[in-house]
Amino acid sequence: NAGVMQNPRHLVRRRGQEARLRCSPMKGHSHVYWYRQLPEEGLKFMVYLQKENIIDESGMPKERFSAEFPKEGPSILRIQQVVRGDSAAYFCASSEGLDYNEQFFGPGTRLTVL
Amino acid sequence: AQSVTQLDSHVSVSEGTPVLLRCNYSSSYSPSLFWYVQHPNKGLQLLLKYTSAATLVKGINGFEAEFKKSETSFHLTKPSAHMSDAAEYFCVVSDRYGGATNKLIFGTGTLLAVQP
Repeated sequence: NAGVMQNPRHLVRRRGQEARLRCSPMKGHSHVYWYRQLPEEGLKFMVYLQKENIIDESGMPKERFSAEFPKEGPSILRIQQVVRGDSAAYFCASSEGLDYNEQFFGPGTRLTVL
Repeated sequence: AQSVTQLDSHVSVSEGTPVLLRCNYSSSYSPSLFWYVQHPNKGLQLLLKYTSAATLVKGINGFEAEFKKSETSFHLTKPSAHMSDAAEYFCVVSDRYGGATNKLIFGTGTLLAVQP
C-alpha cells in the first residue's frame, strides 16, 4: 500500500513562472490537506479538499494560489507568478475522513524560486 | 482558538540519556494531540496521538507522551536516546471543532540533537 506521493520532490522556478505541485493520496483516502513550511518555521495549514470540492481554504494566500482535487487524478496546488517568498516546502497529507484524525504526510515538494 | 506552544526550540542530549520535549496546548474543547517527527529533508511521521482515551500514550520507537489536563501539557519523553532520534519534533493539535475541517495546527518545532 503506497503512501502519500508528491511530485516533483524538488522544483526550481524563476520569478514570474508558474509552479504546479501534485499530490496522490493514500489508497482509499478522499480527504487531502496542503501545508506549507517556510524556512525555520513549523507547518502552516493552507487548504483542505475532498473530491471535487474545496472545503476550507482559510490558509491560502488570497492571490496567485489555487488548489483542486478532481474526480480523477491527483490533487494539484498551483502557484502563479511565483515570487521569492514562495520558496518553501509544501506538504500534502491525506486521511480517510473527518472522523479519522490521523493524517498521513507525503515527502513534500521543495520549491525554490530564483 | 486552538494552539500549541513548544517550549524549547533546541534540545541536546547524550546518547543513552532520557529525552524530554515540552509542549503546552490551548484548547476550548477536549483536544486531539499529536507528535510528529521530521528527519532532515524528509516528510513527517506520526509518533503518537492522544484522542481522549488513555492519558499516557505510547508511540513508535520507544516514545511516549502524557496528557495532563491540569497543566495543559503533552510532553514527549523517551527513556534512552538513540543517535537515530536526532530530528525535528512537532507538537500538533487538531482543529476538529473548528467547523467542517480537521486541519492540524503545528507548534514551531523542537530540534533534538543527540551527542555520542
